[in-house]
Amino acid sequence: DGGITQSPKYLFRKEGQNVTLSCEQNLNHDAMYWYRQDPGQGLRLIYYSQIVNDFQKGDIAEGYSVSREKKESFPLTVTSAQKNPTAFYLCASSISLNTEAFFGQGTRLTVV
Amino acid sequence: KQEVTQIPAALSVPEGENLVLNCSFTDSAIYNLQWFRQDPGKGLTSLLLIQSSQREQTSGRLNASLDKSSGRSTLYIAASQPGDSATYLCAVMGQEEAGANNLFFGTGTRLTVIP
Repeated sequence: DGGITQSPKYLFRKEGQNVTLSCEQNLNHDAMYWYRQDPGQGLRLIYYSQIVNDFQKGDIAEGYSVSREKKESFPLTVTSAQKNPTAFYLCASSISLNTEAFFGQGTRLTVV
Repeated sequence: KQEVTQIPAALSVPEGENLVLNCSFTDSAIYNLQWFRQDPGKGLTSLLLIQSSQREQTSGRLNASLDKSSGRSTLYIAASQPGDSATYLCAVMGQEEAGANNLFFGTGTRLTVIP
């Protein structure tokens, strides 16, 4: 099946640790995105990538890092510098930047 | 910067009713508008995408309309069912500089269809 796979579904992190969220797509899409969703707020863009080996900061990039070494993969690292990391994280992809977006099922990160 | 608003934040209707969800945006210069459905703890499922040149799109019991000049879109759901219960999100693709991500989301309307 074609689609976007995020793993894990649930992730627990101790304060001070870095964690990496996985996002893989087999849709042959060039563009990929990471969003954060908090209760009562709209989705906020963390990072996006138009093409392999290129990525740009979104609205709330501080405390996060990404890489785009392969077309199908866009992992997100939540670093210890992110002050409030507990949230629901959504990965998306599209054929190119600003075309119809398709989303994964999300990863819920909880800091304990 | 584009701002997208969805009112009401929550809506409860009895099964079988027709209903309308609203989305408004501040900048009418858009490429397209997309409606999504989100079930609790899940990702977003694309329902309908309306290009800026279109007035409406239909899929089954769903009909989305777009009025760019007034900065509004509506999602009409006919003969609602309990399975329609979810949060519905509106997202607007703006016309801004190339290379920048221009997708802006509303905060959603949480719909409950009561059997």
